[in-house]
Amino acid sequence: LAKTTQPISMDSYEGQEVNITCSHNNIATNDYITWYQQFPSQGPRFIIQGYKTKVTNEVASLFIPADRKSSTLSLPRVSLSDTAVYYCLVGMTGTALIFGKGTTLSVSS
Amino acid sequence: DSGVTQTPKHLITATGQRVTLRCSPRSGDLSVYWYQQSLDQGLQFLIQYYNGEERAKGNILERFSAQQFPDLHSELNLSSLELGDSALYFCASSVATGGLGSPLHFGNGTRLTVT
Repeated sequence: LAKTTQPISMDSYEGQEVNITCSHNNIATNDYITWYQQFPSQGPRFIIQGYKTKVTNEVASLFIPADRKSSTLSLPRVSLSDTAVYYCLVGMTGTALIFGKGTTLSVSS
Repeated sequence: DSGVTQTPKHLITATGQRVTLRCSPRSGDLSVYWYQQSLDQGLQFLIQYYNGEERAKGNILERFSAQQFPDLHSELNLSSLELGDSALYFCASSVATGGLGSPLHFGNGTRLTVT
């Protein structure tokens, strides 16, 4: 079973900030939190990864509270091309990495 | 480009047949993961290898098998194919195993159609 729970879908408009929260109450000590983006008929693409606190890269930020039971992916100023499915994955390399159902983000003009 | 190569891109075959899907991981990556994604479904984990050894197994059918070769490429064999096996099959690779958060890098998948 997937270790994560995410909203099934979210809607936004171009230029807005989008925050997608993932719940992972049973996260293990050695688990990392990784977010992926997937477009139709393409393989998922790595966005960002963190273990605790905040991580930022050129495309997104990842906020992880101290208890690590949830995480929030923040996409600043989304565009139409950000319309995709976003997956939160919790685990560590070398184990069965089980994806949840993901969040379908729809961005409108 | 993720650096993970999957061949063929498309495969059309009949029920009862056997096919082999191939994956070449990114240079330097030792772990290979296989996933199945049916239409409008999520990513189903099948199996994972590290440096030639099986390390984790998901809900992989007995009709399916995989292996990772000494040159680190991997093959997924699907036999006695059924209509329900039609799906996108993704391979992903990562650097390490155990205790590290090395992210997965996915190929563009093989689309299998069973008629």
